[in-house]
Amino acid sequence: GQQLNQSPQSMFIQEGEDVSMNCTSSSIFNTWLWYKQEPGEGPVLLIALYKAGELTSNGRLTAQFGITRKDSFLNISASIPSDVGIYFCAGLDNNAGNMLTFGGGTRLMVKP
Amino acid sequence: DAGVIQSPRHEVTEMGQEVTLRCKPISGHDYLFWYRQTMMRGLELLIYFNNNVPIDDSGMPEDRFSAKMPNASFSTLKIQPSEPRDSAVYFCASSTTSGASTDTQYFGPGTRLTVL
Repeated sequence: GQQLNQSPQSMFIQEGEDVSMNCTSSSIFNTWLWYKQEPGEGPVLLIALYKAGELTSNGRLTAQFGITRKDSFLNISASIPSDVGIYFCAGLDNNAGNMLTFGGGTRLMVKP
Repeated sequence: DAGVIQSPRHEVTEMGQEVTLRCKPISGHDYLFWYRQTMMRGLELLIYFNNNVPIDDSGMPEDRFSAKMPNASFSTLKIQPSEPRDSAVYFCASSTTSGASTDTQYFGPGTRLTVL
């Protein structure tokens, strides 16, 4: 089946630093989504990408849908303590129903 | 909209007992998904429905698990009998195939299940 490799698995950074994480897939996706999960809560959608090459921003967050459709990255600029959480990428293949394939997550820790 | 609603938020039960988790999807969404999240296995899709009909239940671990969606605004996930290895956080999510956010899944807050 499809697999998503998300890296890094964890990051411990200083407040104010920029962060970059990415996901790669062995197969093509039609949609890439990035979620953030905080302790005790469900994943919350950050950014949705629907077209290859698409670059989308949401405040300090920027994500891109890779041109090959097999990868995506998420950047966070000028990190702040409330950015702490687990970030998940997810890919949707319309030929596989409406099921999402999730990456393993990137745990982000920010030191004030 | 209130978002996806799940209940209870926490459930502690003893091995062998029946457990029922509940979900109310976002109004107008025609897809509903049940996930399980553990440290070891991450987020796993258990089953999903389209227009109240189960489409893919290949992720349901075994016959002890069952899910129903009697109408567009309610779904249940039942475990009977429960076992300690079922301890996890169970999420419900919903999505729609129309509008600007097509296929984007919105998650509920989850139910943390502990089976003693």
